[in-house]
Amino acid sequence: DADVTQTPRNRITKTGKRIMLECSQTKGHDRMYWYRQDPGLGLRLIYYSFDVKDINKGEISDGYSVSRQAQAKFSLSLESAIPNQTALYFCATSDYGSENTGELFFGEGSRLTVL
Amino acid sequence: DQQVKQNSPSLSVQEGRISILNCDYTNSMFDYFLWYKKYPAEGPTFLISISSIKDKNEDGRFTVFLNKSAKHLSLHIVPSQPGDSAVYFCAASLMVYGNKLVFGAGTILRVKS
Repeated sequence: DADVTQTPRNRITKTGKRIMLECSQTKGHDRMYWYRQDPGLGLRLIYYSFDVKDINKGEISDGYSVSRQAQAKFSLSLESAIPNQTALYFCATSDYGSENTGELFFGEGSRLTVL
Repeated sequence: DQQVKQNSPSLSVQEGRISILNCDYTNSMFDYFLWYKKYPAEGPTFLISISSIKDKNEDGRFTVFLNKSAKHLSLHIVPSQPGDSAVYFCAASLMVYGNKLVFGAGTILRVKS
């Protein structure tokens, strides 16, 4: 079983719908992240959380919100989806101890299509 | 404004030869540089990293070189194998901001047998 699990893996929705992407991890890491990948742009940080009570915006947080329900769970919501939010979304985790290397552990991704 | 740039969208190499993937950055404050590898339908996986105080780090067939004066790093894969075919992302981090990685756009590597 994957250490970082994302659901759903694929989702097609319509403009204006509310969507939630969920992430759970069994690595015991405190830090969790949401990135999106677009062709030609690499991975860009949407939100991150260093512990359950800590939520921070990344470089492209507009149109998104997050919830850190527990140490192991971090969900990403699109309140009113729009077509340019069509992308591949990745959840990632890191250990406080890996702060000196920056290593992240990624889930397998959630492909979202907004029509 | 992209702080980490991978200017080659793709690279094709013959099996057994060297693959060289390049990355440039603009922020001289970055502490660590990392390379991630991504196969289709999978998440990126960590490959190798280098601290900003070093100029080379080697791990088996993979070597990363850092040239701070040029704000340039490269990943060398020797010898290249067909299983190395993947997308390679260069990333950089600032320790003071935690593990917030800044990624390049990626380079698709194809190793031909």
